[in-house]
Amino acid sequence: DARVTQTPRHKVTEMGQEVTMRCQPILGHNTVFWYRQTMMQGLELLAYFRNRAPLDDSGMPKDRFSAEMPDATLATLKIQPSEPRDSAVYFCASGHTGQGRVDTQYFGPGTRLTVL
Amino acid sequence: GNSVTQMEGPVTLSEEAFLTINCTYTATGYPSLFWYVQYPGEGLQLLLKATKADDKGSNKGFEATYRKETTSFHLEKGSVQVSDSAVYFCANAGGTSYGKLTFGQGTILTVHP
Repeated sequence: DARVTQTPRHKVTEMGQEVTMRCQPILGHNTVFWYRQTMMQGLELLAYFRNRAPLDDSGMPKDRFSAEMPDATLATLKIQPSEPRDSAVYFCASGHTGQGRVDTQYFGPGTRLTVL
Repeated sequence: GNSVTQMEGPVTLSEEAFLTINCTYTATGYPSLFWYVQYPGEGLQLLLKATKADDKGSNKGFEATYRKETTSFHLEKGSVQVSDSAVYFCANAGGTSYGKLTFGQGTILTVHP
């Protein structure tokens, strides 16, 4: 069973520290999504890539967040510096998309981030 | 723009009760519609989907019909089980979104024995 993997599963850090989250999408999927889930805001789309190119990162605070896909098997989400309000569960999802086609998004297990 | 309005929870039912979770949407064009389920401590997983008007998605006893005239995609199950306890999300992939999903707020379902 192909799955999206995310590391680390849990991260506790102190305010001001850099945090890097990693995602390995399902092989063959051309689109990768980053979401953030909190009780207050629900599920928010932060950014997404197709064929490794960023398509939309309007949901991301630009001053501290950055997302990249160094290669087709790795997506990263970085927060620098981290703040307590960044505490959330961060999900990566992958799927196959194109104009007029929307396939299922497959979610990873998430990274639970706590910033003290 | 795209939006999803989902029935507010939480919903608490006894085992074997009938379930309905309401979902309505707005979108540009003709979106695909999805229901995702999230079990405790896990990521979201697809429950069912429908890609055009009058399509019915079904899986694990759950069903939802794409109603273009009422812009709705309500989730139903005839007899819920304790194992159905989870958070359910309705989602909309708008016609011009190129794969981007807009999610509802989620509905917490708890089923008691």
